[in-house]
Amino acid sequence: DTAVSQTPKYLVTQMGNDKSIKCEQNLGHDTMYWYKQDSKKFLKIMFSYNNKELIINETVPNRFSPKSPDKAHLNLHINSLELGDSAVYFCASSLQGFPDTQYFGPGTRLTVL
Amino acid sequence: QKEVEQNSGPLSVPEGAIASLNCTYSDRGSQSFFWYRQYSGKSPELIMSIYSNGDKEDGRFTAQLNKASQYVSLLIRDSQPSDSATYLCAVEGGSQGNLIFGKGTKLSVKP
Repeated sequence: DTAVSQTPKYLVTQMGNDKSIKCEQNLGHDTMYWYKQDSKKFLKIMFSYNNKELIINETVPNRFSPKSPDKAHLNLHINSLELGDSAVYFCASSLQGFPDTQYFGPGTRLTVL
Repeated sequence: QKEVEQNSGPLSVPEGAIASLNCTYSDRGSQSFFWYRQYSGKSPELIMSIYSNGDKEDGRFTAQLNKASQYVSLLIRDSQPSDSATYLCAVEGGSQGNLIFGKGTKLSVKP
C-alpha cells in the first residue's frame, strides 16, 4: 500500500514553462508538506498545510503555489520555471503536524533545461 | 538564520564497527531533534527522535543530545553494509515547528 505518493516521478521541461506536481496520502493525516532537495542534497521545507489550511510558507518565490483540494492532497504548481528550480521535490505528511513523524513520498525529480 | 551543521563525509567504517555521526545546531531554543536516513535516490525516513538530554537507544541506534553544547549525535553499532546511506540531522526550527535539516553525512560501511 502506498502511503504518500507523488506524480510524476520525473519531470523534464523547458525554462519558462508551467508545471504541476501532485501528492496524495492515504494515511488519514491532517498535515502535508512540500520540501525541496537541491543538488547538494540540502532538504528545505517550502510549505505546510494542515487540513487544507496553509501553516508554513517559507521564503519561496511566488511562482510556487501550493493547492490543497482536500486534506489528502497537496499539489504544487510552478509558474515560469527557471534553471534553479531543478531539484527533487518531496511531499510529506504527518498525523497532526509537528512533532508527529513525517512520512515522505518518493520524490519528483524536476529538471529544467 | 537558524542552521544545522553536519560533516558531509563520506564517513567510511568497516562492517561491525561503530559509526558516529555528529550534528550541531544554532538555535538554543530548539527542543526536538531527529535523525533521518536517506538511501541514494530514495526519500528520507525517520530512524530516531530525541527530546531530552542524554542517550536514547533503539536497537543498534543510539541518539545522544547535549543541549548545552547544542550537539546531537547518532551512533550505529555493529554497522552493516545496508546502513550505507546519507544521514540527515533535523532540528525543530520555527514558530510553526518546521524542521531544519542539515546537509547530511554520507556513511559507507565496507564489508
